[in-house]
Amino acid sequence: GAGVSQSPSNKVTEKGKDVELRCDPISGHTALYWYRQSLGQGLEFLIYFQGNSAPDKSGLPSDRFSAERTGGSVSTLTIQRTQQEDSAVYLCASGTSSRTDTQYFGPGTRLTVL
Amino acid sequence: AQSVTQPDIHITVSEGASLELRCNYSYGATPYLFWYVQSPGQGLQLLLKYFSGDTLVQGIKGFEAEFKRSQSSFNLRKPSVHWSDAAEYFCAVGRGGGQGNLIFGKGTKLSVKP
Repeated sequence: GAGVSQSPSNKVTEKGKDVELRCDPISGHTALYWYRQSLGQGLEFLIYFQGNSAPDKSGLPSDRFSAERTGGSVSTLTIQRTQQEDSAVYLCASGTSSRTDTQYFGPGTRLTVL
Repeated sequence: AQSVTQPDIHITVSEGASLELRCNYSYGATPYLFWYVQSPGQGLQLLLKYFSGDTLVQGIKGFEAEFKRSQSSFNLRKPSVHWSDAAEYFCAVGRGGGQGNLIFGKGTKLSVKP
């Protein structure tokens, strides 16, 4: 079946602009995660959605970052007033409700802030 | 707090040689441990995972890992490396307390010499 998809694959924006990144998880997966991968910081957790529970936002680096998940499926990560340090690859993963289960990662969105 | 250390940033091995990638974790209880691989331009793919039971875990592509509680280690091994194994490898621990996200090490880049 289809894996996790993310769009766009690449995004170039100017400092100060807002961007939206989209994630389509594997059908039926109730858990959805956003991570950020950057050269200096490695892979960092951003936010976690599980079913209808309140999301775990503990990894969001600032209030410029937000995410929503509509209908328990598609998720959008929004970065407002982008800064150059936001340049990174943003990875989405989905999985089942068990924290022992595999997280399936999408190919990522490479964000470049000029 | 949970953490993962991969002491080797970059390793080069000859094709056909054996491989061991090191991973040390910090976790208060029984950890859930994972190894992921990321090929250039690709998302992360799960190689193997450990939750309980047999401390030697077999994964895909001929990889295995051994959980050693006394050493807080979960090293990844392969008896004979193929050129296609060149990639970046990430060790991760599942975050506890009901949260499901992973905490990743900084990764080890593997190069394979012909």
